[in-house]
Amino acid sequence: NAGVTQTPKFQVLKTGQSMTLQCAQDMNHEYMSWYRQDPGMGLRLIHYSVGAGITDQGEVPNGYNVSRSTTEDFPLRLLSAAPSQTSVYFCASSSLDSLRRYTFGSGTRLTVV
Amino acid sequence: QQQVKQSPQSLIVQKGGISIINCAYENTAFDYFPWYQQFPGKGPALLIAIRPDVSEKKEGRFTISFNKSAKQFSLHIMDSQPGDSATYFCAASLQTGANNLFFGTGTRLTVIP
Repeated sequence: NAGVTQTPKFQVLKTGQSMTLQCAQDMNHEYMSWYRQDPGMGLRLIHYSVGAGITDQGEVPNGYNVSRSTTEDFPLRLLSAAPSQTSVYFCASSSLDSLRRYTFGSGTRLTVV
Repeated sequence: QQQVKQSPQSLIVQKGGISIINCAYENTAFDYFPWYQQFPGKGPALLIAIRPDVSEKKEGRFTISFNKSAKQFSLHIMDSQPGDSATYFCAASLQTGANNLFFGTGTRLTVIP
């Protein structure tokens, strides 16, 4: 009954460092996505995937990379962290049916200093 | 550019009162309009959703009103309770295979006893 699992929950990075935010789901969902949540800006789509081997850019993709080698996992990579990437990151998944019911992870709070 | 505009940014309601949150959109291709509820430190969770072929949907104390001609929809929380205190996001989705949700900026609701 895990749903969507994100790790780590908290992370502090120095400017220029790279890191990977992990996301895994156990619901066999085809669709997975990454959002960032910033005060006053809601949730903005970074990257998404409709199946293994298929990824595409969302609204704010710059500075982030993704890959989808399995149905279960959808890691988000920060290539060279910048203070503007300080945010709370959420991974979400859903089936590709008409319901479009998203299940979100509990988030990763990232601070870049 | 925000595809879904949400207001107010924050809302304080007395226990037992009605909370009303409004959203507006421009893209007439949107065909699915969910509301998500988020408690501090948690990911958003689906609360209720509507499609444009109906003008209202009710689930318990939560009602979505939808005005297709005005391109607006709203969430009404009847008999608001302190446990309803959370951030609420409206969202919209296109009728494509990608399932992407476009979120509003969020409303922080506080219900005071």
